[in-house]
Amino acid sequence: NAGVTQTPKFQVLKTGQSMTLQCAQDMNHNSMYWYRQDPGMGLRLIYYSASEGTTDKGEVPNGYNVSRLNKREFSLRLESAAPSQTSVYFCASSERGRGTGELFFGEGSRLTVL
Amino acid sequence: AQSVSQHNHHVILSEAASLELGCNYSYGGTVNLFWYVQYPGQHLQLLLKYFSGDPLVKGIKGFEAEFIKSKFSFNLRKPSVQWSDTAEYFCAVIFYNQGGKLIFGQGTELSVKP
Repeated sequence: NAGVTQTPKFQVLKTGQSMTLQCAQDMNHNSMYWYRQDPGMGLRLIYYSASEGTTDKGEVPNGYNVSRLNKREFSLRLESAAPSQTSVYFCASSERGRGTGELFFGEGSRLTVL
Repeated sequence: AQSVSQHNHHVILSEAASLELGCNYSYGGTVNLFWYVQYPGQHLQLLLKYFSGDPLVKGIKGFEAEFIKSKFSFNLRKPSVQWSDTAEYFCAVIFYNQGGKLIFGQGTELSVKP
């Protein structure tokens, strides 16, 4: 049972390049999330998806887009990367709706934008 | 806006010392409370949670936390820390007046000296 799987684990981009972070969960969870983790700032919610086909902005959505492809997969896209997007990104899922259950996290994707 | 504060950014203890990490939140309405732990190089995992009932919550690995509603606090405690408790600890709160958004504190890095 893999839980939440994120790819890639590491990525270096140049300013202006685009990329997609992939996330998949095998726990049949309805809700999925993307967070970014920055030193001294904890985790901040980028986007949230309550179910397939629905997405909602979090605290820091600017510069990102998401796609809930199906129940298992929730991708995060950076269309034109900026140095301010250098961070560690975590995907998470939960069984119940937003804010009512334990979150299960992936291992993180470390992104550096030069 | 609702917020979660962890006042200790870095705590250094010797093995067998007692631990208390502070967590305060800004809102007096209905909340759910969590502590997550991130061991070096790993993803976040749930340590304990409070939804309702007994305000003293026991979690894994000997950790406990006490919800004090009048102080808007949910401090994490452990009577005797071990070297293996070295990790970063995050307090997180669900604020129901914000549609159940889960907001994380800034994190506290705990270093336990053997």
